[in-house]
Amino acid sequence: GQQLNQSPQSMFIQEGEDVSMNCTSSSIFNTWLWYKQDPGEGPVLLIALYKAGELTSNGRLTAQFGITRKDSFLNISASIPSDVGIYFCAGRAPSGNTGKLIFGQGTTLQVKP
Amino acid sequence: DTEVTQTPKHLVMGMTNKKSLKCEQHMGHRAMYWYKQKAKKPPELMFVYSYEKLSINESVPSRFSPECPNSSLLNLHLHALQPEDSALYLCASSQRGSGADTQYFGPGTRLTVL
Repeated sequence: GQQLNQSPQSMFIQEGEDVSMNCTSSSIFNTWLWYKQDPGEGPVLLIALYKAGELTSNGRLTAQFGITRKDSFLNISASIPSDVGIYFCAGRAPSGNTGKLIFGQGTTLQVKP
Repeated sequence: DTEVTQTPKHLVMGMTNKKSLKCEQHMGHRAMYWYKQKAKKPPELMFVYSYEKLSINESVPSRFSPECPNSSLLNLHLHALQPEDSALYLCASSQRGSGADTQYFGPGTRLTVL
């Protein structure tokens, strides 16, 4: 089945540093979503991308839908302690007209004050 | 408003019990989903309802039984579960369940099976 490779698996950074994570796929996607999940809570949607090349910002977060449609990245600028959590990318393939999302394995972010 | 609510927040049950998880959304979405999530892993899709009809069952054991009474409500009935079924159960909803559709998740129900 389709898989998403999300990297890095984990990051431990100093407060104020910028963060970058990405997801790649062996096949093309027509939707990329980025979620953040706090322990014991549900994933919260951060950014949704629908067009190749699209670059979207949400506060300190910026995400891009890769031109090849096989990748996406998420950047967090000037990290703060509340950025701690697990970040998941998720994508939908063009043939996936059923609403089914494919998830990456997640990037665990820890921020040292 | 992009809120999906789930009850209960926590549930502990024995292997012979019958219980139900509930999910509700008032965003006018016509697709609703059940996911199972183990610690530090991504959500795994269980069921999809589109326009109140079951459209996807990801080969889930029959001890999990979904129900969609109306377009705003989604239930998951549990019976004779196993300890390995302990997990965070997430509900999500989206506008149509197809195309360029964004899923919004609820806070989850933490299920422990003894």
